Amino acid sequence: SSELTQDPAVSVALGQTVRITCQGDSLRSYYASWYQQKPGQAPVLVIYGKNNRPSGIPDRFSGSSSGNTASLTITGAQAEDEADYYCNSRDSSGNQVFGGGTKLTVL
Amino acid sequence: QVQLVQSGAEVKKPGSSVKVSCKASGGTFSSYAISWVRQAPGQGLEWMGGIIPIFGTANYAQKFQGRVTITTDESTSTAYMELSSLRSEDTAVYYCARKVRSVLENWFDPWGQGTLVTVSS
Repeated sequence: SSELTQDPAVSVALGQTVRITCQGDSLRSYYASWYQQKPGQAPVLVIYGKNNRPSGIPDRFSGSSSGNTASLTITGAQAEDEADYYCNSRDSSGNQVFGGGTKLTVL
Repeated sequence: QVQLVQSGAEVKKPGSSVKVSCKASGGTFSSYAISWVRQAPGQGLEWMGGIIPIFGTANYAQKFQGRVTITTDESTSTAYMELSSLRSEDTAVYYCARKVRSVLENWFDPWGQGTLVTVSS
């Protein structure tokens, strides 16, 4: 299967740690990348590969992977982290697939 | 630093076609892959297909096979996505993004600002 499954919504108290997960068979072979999208804006890459952050992304964002599950962890969530988060991977045919997205609420 | 700038919003009639452009600046356009991703109102991201200009061959998501055509013009560092036989369900924001790939991973960065295509009679 080339589908990626995410929880539709997750909440976290300000300053606490939250993990957003993404499950799919392709993740057994390929790393996920993660995107943050705020309302009315284009997605922004926050994590790629094993655990790499693009320039400008705070170090409170980290990634990990185990088996068929990839995770995005925000350590010390801030109000500005409230957004939709999408995972992405490729399948063996080179096609791309996105997860359904997780809406993160910071309380 | 690569930047992608897309063409403006479009309003189209059902059954017609739309062609969205994505102009790149910075980097070497011919050597990196461009993908197109769309997002219907209130929905998630959906990959449509991609192309590597230096190779010129595009690959498409099965859902859009036969309806979408992705091309590039290296002389202007511009990628295009044309979607035909439009229906109301094609109303969405269409994004281009540079795809970077290695053996075990790929990622999209940067993204264009998005182009809203509205299909309405």
